Amino acid sequence: EAGVVQSPRYKIIEKKQPVAFWCNPISGHNTLYWYLQNLGQGPELLIRYENEEAVDDSQLPKDRFSAERLKGVDSTLKIQPAELGDSAVYLCASSLEGGDTEAFFGQGTRLTVV
Amino acid sequence: GENVEQHPSTLSVQEGDSAVIKCTYSDSASNYFPWYKQELGKRPQLIIDIRSNVGEKKDQRIAVTLNKTAKHFSLHITETQPEDSAVYFCAASTHNNDMRFGAGTRLTVKP
Repeated sequence: EAGVVQSPRYKIIEKKQPVAFWCNPISGHNTLYWYLQNLGQGPELLIRYENEEAVDDSQLPKDRFSAERLKGVDSTLKIQPAELGDSAVYLCASSLEGGDTEAFFGQGTRLTVV
Repeated sequence: GENVEQHPSTLSVQEGDSAVIKCTYSDSASNYFPWYKQELGKRPQLIIDIRSNVGEKKDQRIAVTLNKTAKHFSLHITETQPEDSAVYFCAASTHNNDMRFGAGTRLTVKP
């Protein structure tokens, strides 16, 4: 069984440019998370989906970040425009259902904004 | 929302010694407490988890203890090996709430 797949693995963009990340969760997993991880820090939640519904987006900077999960499967996270401080690893994770089941992480997308 | 604190931030032990990492959580409703290991440049992977109806769980050299009254839980690694060197994260959550992570502990096992 394939794990959580994210693309791209690496992205370098100039500030003020848009960028998008894609995540394909494990088949059958209803819960999907986007986390941001700075170097040497723990994952910080950006948004959580249950199926296609965003049940917690309180940590998502909505002035520049947006996310969607079409048909409750794949998800995209977008930043427009990117700022230097957005440089980080963006992790997608999925779990069977709810916050109290094992979350499986993707490899992450390392974003560098120059 | 849930707030998870983790200590220490770095830990260095000699091979064969034990390592203990501690976490506290704020939401008394939290009932699921996983521990993840992240090697350099890799994704976090679950190594052990515990639910609030259990006080202790063990898997070979790894054990986790939970004190619901004090709202803290700990990871214990015995007979440490160089391959245990990594960053370890604790987390806490409920079914309806997000999984929140601690800041991580960088464990170094010296051969």
